[in-house]
Amino acid sequence: GAGVSQTPSNKVTEKGKYVELRCDPISGHTALYWYRQSLGQGPEFLIYFQGTGAADDSGLPNDRFFAVRPEGSVSTLKIQRTERGDSAVYLCASSLGVAAQVDTQYFGPGTRLTVL
Amino acid sequence: AQSVTQLDSHVSVSEGTPVLLRCNYSSSYSPSLFWYVQHPNKGLQLLLKYTSAATLVKGINGFEAEFKKSETSFHLTKPSAHMSDAAEYFCVVSDRGSGYSTLTFGKGTMLLVSP
Repeated sequence: GAGVSQTPSNKVTEKGKYVELRCDPISGHTALYWYRQSLGQGPEFLIYFQGTGAADDSGLPNDRFFAVRPEGSVSTLKIQRTERGDSAVYLCASSLGVAAQVDTQYFGPGTRLTVL
Repeated sequence: AQSVTQLDSHVSVSEGTPVLLRCNYSSSYSPSLFWYVQHPNKGLQLLLKYTSAATLVKGINGFEAEFKKSETSFHLTKPSAHMSDAAEYFCVVSDRGSGYSTLTFGKGTMLLVSP
């Protein structure tokens, strides 16, 4: 079956511009996560959705970052006034969202964002 | 709070020799532990997971890991390396105390396999 997909695979933008990154989770997965992976580092948690609501956004670095999931499926990560330090690979993961067990998270291939 | 320390940034082995990737964790609750692999330009793939059942966990492609609570370790092993095992490996902890599984990743270990 189809896995998690992310678009675009690469995005190059200029400092100060606005970008949107899209994640399409596995069908039927209610939980969706965004992570950011900087060069030479492991992924770091940004935000978690259960259904349509952001259940935990404690990983968002500042108020330039925002994410939505209006219909409980596709999610969009939005970054305003991009800075060079935002350059990274942005990863999306989804899971079944069953609270009584440890969900396995399935990751997409990521979007590589480069801010010039 | 939870954290993961991967003790080696790079490990080099010859094809056919054993692999050992080391990981220590810290967690306030009974942790769940994972190993993920990331091949170049590919997404993260789950190798195996420990969720408080058997302490020796078998994963895909011949990998296994042993949970040792007394040592707070979860080292990844494979008896015989294959060229296709060359990739970056991440040890990951999930603190169930939060009620859902936010993952905390180590910095990764790059496995290099020479012929």
